[in-house]
Amino acid sequence: QQQVKQSPQSLIVQKGGISIINCAYENTAFDYFPWYQQFPGKGPALLIAIRPDVSEKKEGRFTISFNKSAKQFSLHIMDSQPGDSATYFCAPPSGGYQKVTFGTGTKLQVIP
Amino acid sequence: GAVVSQHPSRVICKSGTSVKIECRSLDFQATTMFWYRQFPKQSLMLMATSNEGSKATYEQGVEKDKFLINHASLTLSTLTVTSAHPEDSSFYICSARDETSGGHSTDTQYFGPGTRLTVL
Repeated sequence: QQQVKQSPQSLIVQKGGISIINCAYENTAFDYFPWYQQFPGKGPALLIAIRPDVSEKKEGRFTISFNKSAKQFSLHIMDSQPGDSATYFCAPPSGGYQKVTFGTGTKLQVIP
Repeated sequence: GAVVSQHPSRVICKSGTSVKIECRSLDFQATTMFWYRQFPKQSLMLMATSNEGSKATYEQGVEKDKFLINHASLTLSTLTVTSAHPEDSSFYICSARDETSGGHSTDTQYFGPGTRLTVL
């Protein structure tokens, strides 16, 4: 059972543009919504996360928007840079051990 | 910030041999660690939850006798791939929860840099 669905699978954005990645979830027990960034050959790293009591959170060029009724949350990267080229995963934890359910991933390529 | 290390970063072995991968939390204690496997161009798939002082919990379809997990201390978990075969070749990643905020969903999970296993 796939609990999180990401879109798009891949994304090409020009430098300076806005990158938008979406995540739809089914499990209403999720109460924390992180995005992870992974560079090739490396482990994922937490990028930004949001609790469901707010609809938006901004950290620098990165913004999470959360729509509880639609069970969706998205990552916006403003002024995208070539260094942002990576794979992004939505990965909410759940359960007693807070196991992380990774989305399918979105490969972002920012071209100069 | 918190760091999770893995050793080795890369290993090549012959088919039929066993390989041990270590995962360490360097500046925090982790009651719970997780092991993932990632095939090329795919997402991370959770293999098992490692609990300090008790048996690991394996995800459906993961052979517990093939992937032995030992969480002997609050800073170390090991994954041993026994009798490795070419189909076990993959990128293995561990993570550890920093539970200093009280064991909530907002506990940050820190991921290791991964171990690339190639079985010839």
